[in-house]
Amino acid sequence: AQSVTQLDSQVPVFEEAPVELRCNYSSSVSVYLFWYVQYPNQGLQLLLKYLSGSTLVKGINGFEAEFNKSQTSFHLRKPSVHISDTAEYFCAVRRGSNYKLTFGKGTLLTVNP
Amino acid sequence: EPEVTQTPSHQVTQMGQEVILRCVPISNHLYFYWYRQILGQKVEFLVSFYNNEISEKSEIFDDQFSVERPDGSNFTLKIRSTKLEDSAMYFCASSEPEEYYGYTFGSGTRLTVV
Repeated sequence: AQSVTQLDSQVPVFEEAPVELRCNYSSSVSVYLFWYVQYPNQGLQLLLKYLSGSTLVKGINGFEAEFNKSQTSFHLRKPSVHISDTAEYFCAVRRGSNYKLTFGKGTLLTVNP
Repeated sequence: EPEVTQTPSHQVTQMGQEVILRCVPISNHLYFYWYRQILGQKVEFLVSFYNNEISEKSEIFDDQFSVERPDGSNFTLKIRSTKLEDSAMYFCASSEPEEYYGYTFGSGTRLTVV
């Protein structure tokens, strides 16, 4: 079975500061990794995904994530956040042979002025 | 950009009633899914659907739930005899057959059981 751990339930930061949202996964087989963002009262929007190849993945809105197989991590980063980045961020994993997504519990990023 | 459309956006129902949540997946997608998110909790997989049948379901997806693709465009989730604990945001998603494409989620239906 696979699981996803998002270590921080809430991350408050000031505008223009860098941010890292942490995600660790457990799986004994190859996986695909995703970050989704959920703005208040909206659905889930794909930020970025790791499928194969380069371990540094760039997504929308200036976000990037790095896949680290040895540490089974897929942390999300942004060098300078904006107030509009305030949202819930979900890490998700999918096993190679299975289409089901397993989500972490989410991290609420709050960007303060 | 193609979207997954869910209706209604919010549904209030009385305990014990049946509800049908509707979804229109992206037209060339072949895999369809329902997920739910109870307030303050993580998004949970309910069921996946392919080729007019359930391909996988979670332990949450018991006899109270059913899915259907009644025509070429809609994908529905029926919840029979709703309970208070069914109150949640329900997300529909669809994906292309090639496994390296990610899902596209709809904006969700917030179900409130009173």
